[in-house]
Amino acid sequence: GENVEQHPSTLSVQEGDSAVIKCTYSDSASNYFPWYKQELGKGPQLIIDIRSNVGEKKDQRIAVTLNKTAKHFSLHITETQPEDSAVYFCAAMGSGGGGNKLTFGTGTQLKVEL
Amino acid sequence: DTAVSQTPKYLVTQMGNDKSIKCEQNLGHDTMYWYKQDSKKFLKIMFSYNNKELIINETVPNRFSPKSPDKAHLNLHINSLELGDSAVYFCASSQEGFFSGNTIYFGEGSWLTVV
Repeated sequence: GENVEQHPSTLSVQEGDSAVIKCTYSDSASNYFPWYKQELGKGPQLIIDIRSNVGEKKDQRIAVTLNKTAKHFSLHITETQPEDSAVYFCAAMGSGGGGNKLTFGTGTQLKVEL
Repeated sequence: DTAVSQTPKYLVTQMGNDKSIKCEQNLGHDTMYWYKQDSKKFLKIMFSYNNKELIINETVPNRFSPKSPDKAHLNLHINSLELGDSAVYFCASSQEGFFSGNTIYFGEGSWLTVV
């Protein structure tokens, strides 16, 4: 089955700096890679995703890159703000066939300090 | 309107009891899930249903039994609760198919504490 590793487990940055979270996956058949943000006491919320036919995707301050050859993908947050503080999860999904199985990374606790 | 709603949000119960968590989605999705998040924040899939049919069962103990009366509902019943069952349980849903997005939408979670 799929195995997703995520680093770092905790990340502290100053407001306005950039934050980068990296993930690797094991199953070369995986073709969909979402990133979720989980605030305290809430469920994970999708913030950005990327498919295997795309190398990079950007949405305002958030960008994701994918290297299929190396089987790794990264989340980049620029100009961080205090409200970006949360736990971020990467995930990888296979090609479906009934029941989209999403395998999550272990999460990164991001803290944006004033 | 909440897309994926689950109840109760908090549940404290004694070992050995039987409890249920209910989930409903109003997104018109075909697929629903239950995920478990442990104390270390690790999210792991438990079950997946597609149009009321069980698709994924990730070696969850038989004490956990999902029930899907229709494709908008997926309830989780837990029998003979154990201390190790304490966790946050997330219901989620998605629409099948690559071109539909595969995006999985999560509920707000149900905090289960077994004492």
